Amino acid sequence: GIQVEQSPPDLILQEGANSTLRCNFSDSVNNLQWFHQNPWGQLINLFYIPSGTKQNGRLSATTVATERYSLLYISSSQTTDSGVYFCAVGVTGGGNKLTFGTGTQLKVEL
Amino acid sequence: NAGVTQTPKFQVLKTGQSMTLQCAQDMNHNSMYWYRQDPGMGLRLIYYSASEGTTDKGEVPNGYNVSRLNKREFSLRLESAAPSQTSVYFCASSQQTGGHYGYTFGSGTRLTVV
Repeated sequence: GIQVEQSPPDLILQEGANSTLRCNFSDSVNNLQWFHQNPWGQLINLFYIPSGTKQNGRLSATTVATERYSLLYISSSQTTDSGVYFCAVGVTGGGNKLTFGTGTQLKVEL
Repeated sequence: NAGVTQTPKFQVLKTGQSMTLQCAQDMNHNSMYWYRQDPGMGLRLIYYSASEGTTDKGEVPNGYNVSRLNKREFSLRLESAAPSQTSVYFCASSQQTGGHYGYTFGSGTRLTVV
């Protein structure tokens, strides 16, 4: 099956700093989503982005499908950005099911 | 609009006991999924239902069964619980038409098997 690798596995930032999280995948995809899992365990969908660039406030994401990677940018980080960020991908004919990476654990400190 | 509702939120079982995890969505989504989350391993797909009346195995289906009761409800059953099934279980739903493929997750069920 498709492999999904996320980097870095852990990241500590000072409040106000910017960061880039990376997701590499091993095959062509027709579905790519980014999720944030907050410290209470809730999973929130950030972006559906199989290709191109999207922005939502301080967050933006870019997927370069031909090169099999996606990037999540967090600008002016806040303590509420802490948690785990997951990348998940789906392939054609896969029934919209997603394969998840192991996540990037982000901690934003004051 | 409640989104995806999972019950129960917490459960402790003894080895060999059975239980059913319930999931319901009110967004008229076609597809529903069950994932488990273990430390350091991300989320792994147990079973999914692409549409009402269909179910398919995911990556880790052994020891589980599912029922797509109707378009809203998708339940996960553990027939004989084992300690290896201690995990956090998440239900999710998505639409497969109109370009709205994003998943919505429930709040999870933390299951401990002793």
